[in-house]
Formats: sequence, C-alpha cells, structure tokens
Amino acid sequence: DAEITQSPRHKITETGRQVTLACHQTWNHNNMFWYRQDLGHGLRLIHYSYGVQDTNKGEVSDGYSVSRSNTEDLPLTLESAASSQTSVYFCASSQGEWVTDTQYFGPGTRLTVL
Amino acid sequence: QKEVEQNSGPLSVPEGAIASLNCTYSDRGSQSFFWYRQYSGKSPELIMFIYSNGDKEDGRFTAQLNKASQYVSLLIRDSQPSDSATYLCAVKQGGSEKLVFGKGTKLTVNP
Repeated sequence: DAEITQSPRHKITETGRQVTLACHQTWNHNNMFWYRQDLGHGLRLIHYSYGVQDTNKGEVSDGYSVSRSNTEDLPLTLESAASSQTSVYFCASSQGEWVTDTQYFGPGTRLTVL
Repeated sequence: QKEVEQNSGPLSVPEGAIASLNCTYSDRGSQSFFWYRQYSGKSPELIMFIYSNGDKEDGRFTAQLNKASQYVSLLIRDSQPSDSATYLCAVKQGGSEKLVFGKGTKLTVNP
C-alpha cells in the first residue's frame, strides 16, 4: 500500500547543530509539504514543493530549508537548530490535480532542541 | 492575513449526542474545505471534504458549507467515546494547493 513515512520519529539535538528530517512518500504525489505543530498555534506551513526542483517558503520558513531532487522525498533541514524549533513536525503530500485533492500526513517527528 | 477560526473548546458531549464543530474563514476565494481528526500523539487524518454550498453526509458525519457566510461546520451524530479527538478545519484557497488550518477544537465524548 502507498504510504508516507517520516524519520526519525523522535530526535533530541543540541542548539546550533544541523538536523535533517526525512519524508518519503510512495503515493507518487506531485505536492509535498512540511508543517510544524505547536500548542496554541496549530499546524503552520514551513516549506512546500509542487514537483521536482520546485520549493517554496511557507509562513514560518526562517531557519529551515528543503530540496526536492525526486518525486518521493522532501527532506527538511534545520541549518542551526534553536530551542524555538522544538516542535512536532509533519510531512504531507497531495496529488494536486483537483481542487478537492486531499493532503495525507505522515506520522510526525518529535524534535527536541536542548 | 488569510485566517481560519475555530472554537478552541474543549467541547464535551454525552455519548449518543450530536457534536457540532464550527469554522469560519476570511478568504472569499476559498474553494474547498476539509475536516481532519487528530488523536492525541497522532497525525491528522481526513474525515471529509466539501466544496459546494449545502450539506454533505458520510455515515455519522455531516459537513455543512455556507460560502456567503464564510462558514463551514461538522456535525457528528450518535457521538461515541472513540470520536474524542481534536478536529481541524482546513481551507484551500483558489489557485493554490496549500491548506490553511484552524487551531482545532478538542472534543470529548463522555460515556
């Protein structure tokens, strides 16, 4: 069955370190998205991609980067981790052909920055 | 700023009752509307979507859309304890594949 996976599921790192969170989907979806979820803020869009070599900034992109070299993967990199980036990170994907196309979410990565 | 507003709750209903969850949005160009359910510690999962004015029913769930009032709701009939979760409203603007999410309403169904 097609799915979307994220790794690692839990990560503890130190301030200033570079961290990469992986997202892999086997839906063959064109669109991929990264969100962070924090109490009181809901889901906020970090970066998104509409296809290979396409990346775009979301509403909370500072301190994060992504690259899309193939259809299946959209890794999220924290260049220099900060305590404010402690959060739960979700990756999602959608086909993007119809206005009603749904985003399907991965299981999430809980990141703690000490 | 394109916004999606939900009552934060928590909303508590007895088992078997109807739970009503509400959502308003600011962008009149919004085209489609999604309800996700999120259990504690889990990822959001789609319940249903709606894009035409009126009601859409799927089992115990009914989504209602009123574009003139910029209002979308989700009714859960015969609520069960397993429906206890946070419900997220999401809106897709015209010409975009992005979703804007509300902060969610936490629902508790008491046995």
